[in-house]
Amino acid sequence: ILNVEQSPQSLHVQEGDSTNFTCSFPSSNFYALHWYRWETAKSPEALFVMTLNGDEKKKGRISATLNTKEGYSYLYIKGSQPEDSATYLCARTSGSARQLTFGSGTQLTVLP
Amino acid sequence: NAGVTQTPKFQVLKTGQSMTLQCAQDMNHEYMSWYRQDPGMGLRLIHYSVGAGITDQGEVPNGYNVSRSTTEDFPLRLLSAAPSQTSVYFCASSYQGLAGADTQYFGPGTRLTVL
Repeated sequence: ILNVEQSPQSLHVQEGDSTNFTCSFPSSNFYALHWYRWETAKSPEALFVMTLNGDEKKKGRISATLNTKEGYSYLYIKGSQPEDSATYLCARTSGSARQLTFGSGTQLTVLP
Repeated sequence: NAGVTQTPKFQVLKTGQSMTLQCAQDMNHEYMSWYRQDPGMGLRLIHYSVGAGITDQGEVPNGYNVSRSTTEDFPLRLLSAAPSQTSVYFCASSYQGLAGADTQYFGPGTRLTVL
């Protein structure tokens, strides 16, 4: 994998459903993996920063895991609510650790 | 703290015009960066700075200049605007702690249209 890739591109779920999405990234020269939540007409807000293989982070109903050896991270949302509707971005710190490379995001819509 | 501020919020330019997008932060962050966001392409890094007087190119630097004369300010200049520069521009900053693992704080964005 040369770039940061996210799947699926978009996702519709019913309120109360649990869901997850994937971020795949180059595993070489890894420094950190970031997850951001981006609501329409607002600026991206940080959810998690993970650095170690096997890291798991949790904030309320949202959690994330990291596998640096195989180059992927999962974001989980338990019991989705309409207010969870947003684009979820992941980004990898690369090169000299001074640049973030973003994926194109997963757009989540939670239907009431 | 105001966080990261950007001005203007909206701007329409004609091809060939120049302008400066302003970005300021009051968190004493060393690292600042500019991104552009285009549909289906996520955020792409234009330029970044690791401290006053130091700037470097990101993924898509062509057509843009930056300078960092103070810790607080990081303006982005378009010398001769082109329609391909129509985009939403975000400025971000972070504390230069553990390399690469610092949370980036984003400004509200500037929506630029070049006719």
